[in-house]
Amino acid sequence: ETGVTQSPTHLIKTRGQQVTLRCSSQSGHNTVSWYQQALGQGPQFIFQYYREEENGRGNFPPRFSGLQFPNYSSELNVNALELDDSALYLCASTPRGLEGADTQYFGPGTRLTVL
Amino acid sequence: GENVEQHPSTLSVQEGDSAVIKCTYSDSASNYFPWYKQELGKGPQLIIDIRSNVGEKKDQRIAVTLNKTAKHFSLHITETQPEDSAVYFCAANDSGGSYIPTFGRGTSLIVHP
Repeated sequence: ETGVTQSPTHLIKTRGQQVTLRCSSQSGHNTVSWYQQALGQGPQFIFQYYREEENGRGNFPPRFSGLQFPNYSSELNVNALELDDSALYLCASTPRGLEGADTQYFGPGTRLTVL
Repeated sequence: GENVEQHPSTLSVQEGDSAVIKCTYSDSASNYFPWYKQELGKGPQLIIDIRSNVGEKKDQRIAVTLNKTAKHFSLHITETQPEDSAVYFCAANDSGGSYIPTFGRGTSLIVHP
């Protein structure tokens, strides 16, 4: 069974730029959620994708957007980067509709630094 | 929405001692309470969970208790080992059925050899 993978592991961008982060869900999982984790904080929910559509969104502005593909993998896009966007971005997958649907299985994260 | 408070923020113990981390939640309709362990440079990993129809659950040295009336739940680690050192997060799930958890701010557990 393959776990959740994310790429890249680290990324450095400058303010105003755009970034795309990628996530492959765990085998058999059809739902992907994205979280932002600032230093010393718990993960904050950004949004969730199910059946290639956004299915729930946290308190994040529209410049945070995403996609889910037919193979359940997902992308997180952030436009007009701000310094406060510097954080660890976590992807988690779940097998919605199946046993264990309420447990989030996290990837290792992408560390984004905005200068 | 749900609000989860977690205490303490830092916990330092000697190897072999017990450690207890406490969380409270605000939404009485929440029904699933996972605990995650996050080691340096890694994503959170589920270590134990409990549902609202159960008061206590144990897995080897780890146990979780839930008091639905008081809306609080706790993680208990016995016979701590240096490899237990990590950040621990409690969470409560979204009662709306989308299974989106709200996380506490985390507890940094340090186990001294």
